[in-house]
Amino acid sequence: NAGVTQTPKFQVLKTGQSMTLQCAQDMNHEYMSWYRQDPGMGLRLIHYSVGAGITDQGEVPNGYNVSRSTTEDFPLRLLSAAPSQTSVYFCASSIRGPSSGNTIYFGEGSWLTVV
Amino acid sequence: AQSVTQLGSHVSVSEGALVLLRCNYSSSVPPYLFWYVQYPNQGLQLLLKYTSAATLVKGINGFEAEFKKSETSFHLTKPSAHMSDAAEYFCAVSDPGRGAQKLVFGQGTRLTINP
Repeated sequence: NAGVTQTPKFQVLKTGQSMTLQCAQDMNHEYMSWYRQDPGMGLRLIHYSVGAGITDQGEVPNGYNVSRSTTEDFPLRLLSAAPSQTSVYFCASSIRGPSSGNTIYFGEGSWLTVV
Repeated sequence: AQSVTQLGSHVSVSEGALVLLRCNYSSSVPPYLFWYVQYPNQGLQLLLKYTSAATLVKGINGFEAEFKKSETSFHLTKPSAHMSDAAEYFCAVSDPGRGAQKLVFGQGTRLTINP
């Protein structure tokens, strides 16, 4: 059972470039989400989804786009990368979401540097 | 709005000593509370969670936490620290119900164990 799989693990982008961080889960979870982790700020929610075709914004959505065409996949798109988006990105999933008290399972992270 | 405050960004204890990591929350309703651990260059792993059952919650690796509504606290403890406990610890809160499916994290506490 692979759990939550993120790719790539490391990426360097130039300012203005676009890219997609991939996230897949094989646990048939309805809820998926993306967080970014910055020193001293904990994890902040970017976007989340409660099922295929349904997405919503989190705390820091600007500069990011998501879609959920299947239950398994939840890609995060950076539209025009900026140095402020240098961060570690985590994808996470759970059966129904934190408001149900469900455990959220995290991927291993994607380290992104924008130069 | 929900918020989480972790007192102390760095905590250092001797091996065998008591570990106490502090977490205070604010929420408009009785919340769900979580403690996660993050080892270097890895994702987050759930240590324990409170979902309105017993107020004293036992987790993995000998950790436990007590929900105290009157103090709006959910401090994490372990009676005897082990070298392998060195990691970063995050407290998180969510609101129960069918509202916003958001898990809000504290800033994190880095735990160092001295031999």
